[in-house]
Amino acid sequence: AQSVAQPEDQVNVAEGNPLTVKCTYSVSGNPYLFWYVQYPNRGLQFLLKYITGDNLVKGSYGFEAEFNKSQTSFHLKKPSALVSDSALYFCAVRDQAGTALIFGKGTTLSVSS
Amino acid sequence: EAEVAQSPRYKITEKSQAVAFWCDPISGHATLYWYRQILGQGPELLVQFQDESVVDDSQLPKDRFSAERLKGVDSTLKIQPAELGDSAMYLCASRVLMGTEAFFGQGTRLTVV
Repeated sequence: AQSVAQPEDQVNVAEGNPLTVKCTYSVSGNPYLFWYVQYPNRGLQFLLKYITGDNLVKGSYGFEAEFNKSQTSFHLKKPSALVSDSALYFCAVRDQAGTALIFGKGTTLSVSS
Repeated sequence: EAEVAQSPRYKITEKSQAVAFWCDPISGHATLYWYRQILGQGPELLVQFQDESVVDDSQLPKDRFSAERLKGVDSTLKIQPAELGDSAMYLCASRVLMGTEAFFGQGTRLTVV
């Protein structure tokens, strides 16, 4: 069965500092991995994805994520956090067979000025 | 930019009443999902459609929930009768058939009183 773990409920960083939001996954076969962001009372916005190829993928708003097959991880990163990055972040996985996304429970990112 | 449209944005209903949500996916997106997101948790799949056919409804509480996508375009999710525990955000998402990422609507926030 597919699953996603986001071990941190909340991540706090100061503006201008680098940030990392952690995600590990379990899936049969090669995974499709995604990060989404959610602002209060809004839907989910797609940030980035890993399908194949380079382990470091770049996405919207300066975010990037690193796929590590041996550690089954897909951590979200940004070199310099902004206060406007404060939101709820979800990691998601699915297999290549077209099944639905399985989401983690989410991590709240709080960036202080 | 094309978006997934959902209505209503907010709905308050009394328990035991019927309630319905509507979703219009991005044009050309054959795959449509309904997810339920309880406050503080990640989205969980209720039902997945490919065109007008149900692909996965294993997590749909079929005694009270129903979903349809009669013409393979827009979709309706119904709850009858609503229970207090149904209070949640209901999210619709769509993707092209051979695509990777799904795109989400703004969601419908349901409160059952």
